[in-house]
Parts: sequence; structure tokens; C-alpha cells
Amino acid sequence: EAGVTQSPTHLIKTRGQQATLRCSPISGHTSVYWYQQALGLGLQFLLWYDEGEERNRGNFPPRFSGRQFPNYSSELNVNALELEDSALYLCASSDRLGQLNYEQYFGPGTRLTVT
Amino acid sequence: DQQVKQNSPSLSVQEGRISILNCDYTNSMFDYFLWYKKYPAEGPTFLISISSIKDKNEDGRFTVFLNKSAKHLSLHIVPSQPGDSAVYFCAAPNQGGKLIFGQGTELSVKP
Repeated sequence: EAGVTQSPTHLIKTRGQQATLRCSPISGHTSVYWYQQALGLGLQFLLWYDEGEERNRGNFPPRFSGRQFPNYSSELNVNALELEDSALYLCASSDRLGQLNYEQYFGPGTRLTVT
Repeated sequence: DQQVKQNSPSLSVQEGRISILNCDYTNSMFDYFLWYKKYPAEGPTFLISISSIKDKNEDGRFTVFLNKSAKHLSLHIVPSQPGDSAVYFCAAPNQGGKLIFGQGTELSVKP
């Protein structure tokens, strides 16, 4: 069974540009979560999508947004990039049971570098 | 506001010995905790969890202990193996699908 996949692996952008990161969940999983891991910090919750709807949002500015498609894949968009947005962006997915037991399965991440 | 804290950024242990990774939390409403392991260039993988109705959960070489009064949990790995070298995160679920993670502890197990 394929795990969570993310693309691209690395992304280099300049300040002020927009970045788009993509995530495909494990087959059968309906929930997608996005986290940011900046250097030296733990994972910070960004967004939760389930059944195509945004269910929860972390303490990030509105220029961080996303969506979930009918096939449950998801996209994270970061507008007006700032240097401090440089981080590893991790996507996770879970099924209905995972929503109850909190087990989230993570992809390998996208390393975003803003110069 | 760091609700889950791992105060040791790194830990070095000899192969075969015990590794003890610590985690503290501030929110007394947390009732479930998870440990994740992360290798370089990979996403975190779930390792073990514990509910607040228990004070210990064991899975093979991995045991998690929970001290609710001290708001402290620890992960014990016995015996430690070189393949255990990774970054370990403790996490607690909050409302709305959100996992709150500690900063991580990098474990190095030396042969």
C-alpha cells in the first residue's frame, strides 16, 4: 500500500512569490493535515481538511491556505512568501479510525526555501 | 505557548543500554499522548501511544510512562539499537485534528 506522497521534494522561491505544495493521502483516507517544521522547532499544525472541507486551522496568517480535492488529495498555498516561511512542510492523512485514535500517517515532506 | 516540551535536544546512548526520552506538558486537559520517530528525509512515523487512564504502555522494546500529577511522560527503549537513532517527538491531540508536538529529541545510539 502506497504511503502519503508529497511533491515537490524541494522548492526554492524568492520573497513575495507564491508556493504550491501537493499531497496525496493513503488510499481510503479522507483527512489531510498540514504541518510546518521550521528549523529547531517541532511540528506546528497548519490546516486540517476532511471530506473536502477545512475543519480546523492553526495559528498562521491567511496567506497560508489550501484545499482538498474530490479524490482527497490536497494542496497548500503560501502567498507573499517571507524568509521565515522557509521550513519543511509535512502532510499527514488519516481515516475515520485515525480521527478517533489520533494516528496520523506522514509523508516525507516538501522542503521550501525562500531567498 | 509551548504546551508540549522536550527539553533535551539530543541524547547519546551506547548500544544495548537504555534510552530515556522525556516530555513535559502544561495542559491538564490532554488525555492522550503519542510518540513519533523521524529519520532524515522521511516523515514522522507513529511509534507508541498512551491514554491518560493508564500510567504505562509497552510495545516490545518501547515503553511509555505517564505521570499525570507531574505532567510528564517518558519513552524508554531497551535495549537500544543503532537503528533507533532518529529524532523522537512526543505529541498530544488537541481539538480539531490537531496534534501538538514537542521540539523533538535527537537520539544517537553508538555501537
